[in-house]
Amino acid sequence: QKEVEQNSGPLSVPEGAIASLNCTYSDRGSQSFFWYRQYSGKSPELIMSIYSNGDKEDGRFTAQLNKASQYVSLLIRDSQPSDSATYLCAVNEAYNFNKFYFGSGTKLNVKP
Amino acid sequence: DAGITQSPRYKITETGRQVTLMCHQTWSHSYMFWYRQDLGHGLRLIYYSAAADITDKGEVPDGYVVSRSKTENFPLTLESATRSQTSVYFCASRASGGAGNEQFFGPGTRLTVL
Repeated sequence: QKEVEQNSGPLSVPEGAIASLNCTYSDRGSQSFFWYRQYSGKSPELIMSIYSNGDKEDGRFTAQLNKASQYVSLLIRDSQPSDSATYLCAVNEAYNFNKFYFGSGTKLNVKP
Repeated sequence: DAGITQSPRYKITETGRQVTLMCHQTWSHSYMFWYRQDLGHGLRLIYYSAAADITDKGEVPDGYVVSRSKTENFPLTLESATRSQTSVYFCASRASGGAGNEQFFGPGTRLTVL
């Protein structure tokens, strides 16, 4: 059974702060990593994808990947109340880019 | 309008009944997926399809049947619904099977089995 672990939260940060979301995974052969944002009652939407060790930045979002530690994180800089949502980490099954395992998500609250 | 749609959006049924959830995408994406989302479990893959007439099991396929006779449609059938199948079901599609392609999700179907 492949596992993707996330702290369920809620993670509360003040507006303008950096929010740090973490995810660990069990399948050492995983190669594709995604962060999705899901507002309450809505479907997930992709924020970031990362495939190589290191950092990947896109606007206020930075994804970090460490395959040796089987760890992927998402940093949100200058957090806004509109960032309040549940963030899902998704990891592919080794050698199968069509089977993804999702974490149960971290709920982020950004307080004005 | 283009995109991925699901119907119905809400469904209440009784234990033992057959239920079919529909998924339609207008992008001609090769890959389509069915997930269920339950509190505390995140999204779990039920079935996926790489093309018309090609389907494969995901993490939790028991109690579900899928078919894909046309590229744009991927219905999910619960042959004999059980209470444990009460969940929110999301359909998704993806252009191709490579590492970098994004999955796009439909709006979801909230299914309640009484």
